Amino acid sequence: AQSVSQHNHHVILSEAASLELGCNYSYGGTVNLFWYVQYPGQHLQLLLKYFSGDPLVKGIKGFEAEFIKSKFSFNLRKPSVQWSDTAEYFCAVNAFSGGYNKLIFGAGTRLAVHP
Amino acid sequence: GAVVSQHPSRVICKSGTSVKIECRSLDFQATTMFWYRQFPKQSLMLMATSNEGSKATYEQGVEKDKFLINHASLTLSTLTVTSAHPEDSSFYICSAGQGASSSGNTIYFGEGSWLTVV
Repeated sequence: AQSVSQHNHHVILSEAASLELGCNYSYGGTVNLFWYVQYPGQHLQLLLKYFSGDPLVKGIKGFEAEFIKSKFSFNLRKPSVQWSDTAEYFCAVNAFSGGYNKLIFGAGTRLAVHP
Repeated sequence: GAVVSQHPSRVICKSGTSVKIECRSLDFQATTMFWYRQFPKQSLMLMATSNEGSKATYEQGVEKDKFLINHASLTLSTLTVTSAHPEDSSFYICSAGQGASSSGNTIYFGEGSWLTVV
């Protein structure tokens, strides 16, 4: 079965620190990969997505992610975080299975950025 | 980006009653819609996938008779929680996609609906 694993459940950083959140997936077919963010009290928003092409994907708010097919990974990075990046981050895989699309989410990583 | 709207955003119902949550794609036709639930401090759990005009596909462990999904049009899907119980209290989120194929499909999320069963 498809699954998504996020290695860090809680991350605490100071402002201007660099961020890398790990995401590994388990699925043998064609995948589309997503990172979503959920700010406190708000709904999910798409940060970035990978469908094909350049494996280094740039998203909104200075985030980027790199798809490494051989490692089944899609890690999220940001060179310098801000306090406003405090949120929960979800990695997701869009797998086409049994005739249907499914979005499978990781458990999420709570990021707290201190001023 | 495209907009997906859920209604109501918050609902409180009595135990034993049924409650309906609507999910609308406002500016695109959604051939596929997904329903998730999110328990506090946990990730989203896919409940079911529905394609317009056909029956929903439920994930393992989700009671199809309890969580009725109707995707009657390309812009509307409804989730009805029947005979609700306090353990059904959760945050329900819908999402919608524009195609059935995995390539080029982007999923858009609704704002979510808080259900409290008292």
